Amino acid sequence: EIVMTQSPATLYVSPGERATLSCRTSQSVSSSLAWYQQKPGQAPRLLIYAASTRATGIPARFSGSGSGTEFTLTISSLQSEDFALYYCQQYNNWPRTFGQGTKVEIK
Amino acid sequence: QVQLQESGPGLVKPSETLSLTCTVSGASITTYFWSWIRQPPGKGLEWIGHVFHRGSTNYNPSLKSRVTISVDTSKNQFSLKLSSVTAADTAIYYCARVENLDWFDPWGQGTLVTVSS
Repeated sequence: EIVMTQSPATLYVSPGERATLSCRTSQSVSSSLAWYQQKPGQAPRLLIYAASTRATGIPARFSGSGSGTEFTLTISSLQSEDFALYYCQQYNNWPRTFGQGTKVEIK
Repeated sequence: QVQLQESGPGLVKPSETLSLTCTVSGASITTYFWSWIRQPPGKGLEWIGHVFHRGSTNYNPSLKSRVTISVDTSKNQFSLKLSSVTAADTAIYYCARVENLDWFDPWGQGTLVTVSS
């Protein structure tokens, strides 16, 4: 099973600033990585797939990069609605696995 | 647009079988793969397994001996059965469409299942 490690666990950012979230995998997943956003009491929402492709309707301030074992989700200018939990997920191997999440909080 | 809605008992006794149904609207269940994912309170996400309308399935090895996922094409629904539950199975259970057998989109709103006597 591929282990996903997200860092930091909590990221404190001021509105309008850039947020950079990291996801590392225990072995290469090529570009087979997705990112999700989850707000309290809601289901996760797909943001990014194939490491860098934005899902339908996702604002351009969200971008993904990386390949192999190291990936980054960048939110270029944080809006109030972006303070949430973010998860990465690999789909290169079975079983599909998720990271433990990074919580983006207001600084 | 595609919408998913989970339904089923919110409380299950230890050693019994957890049963949930996901109703799909806005898409035919025969077109995609469909998955169950769970999230224990305050914890991360765990993929349980997926099903295709022709009956092919794939399960997480950690749950494989206790899980059955099936499809009812006549009702555009798919279901989860998890046997011999314990308190460790207490979680929010989500159903989701699987794109290309890869990522999950969209998700249902989730349903909390508590295992307790």
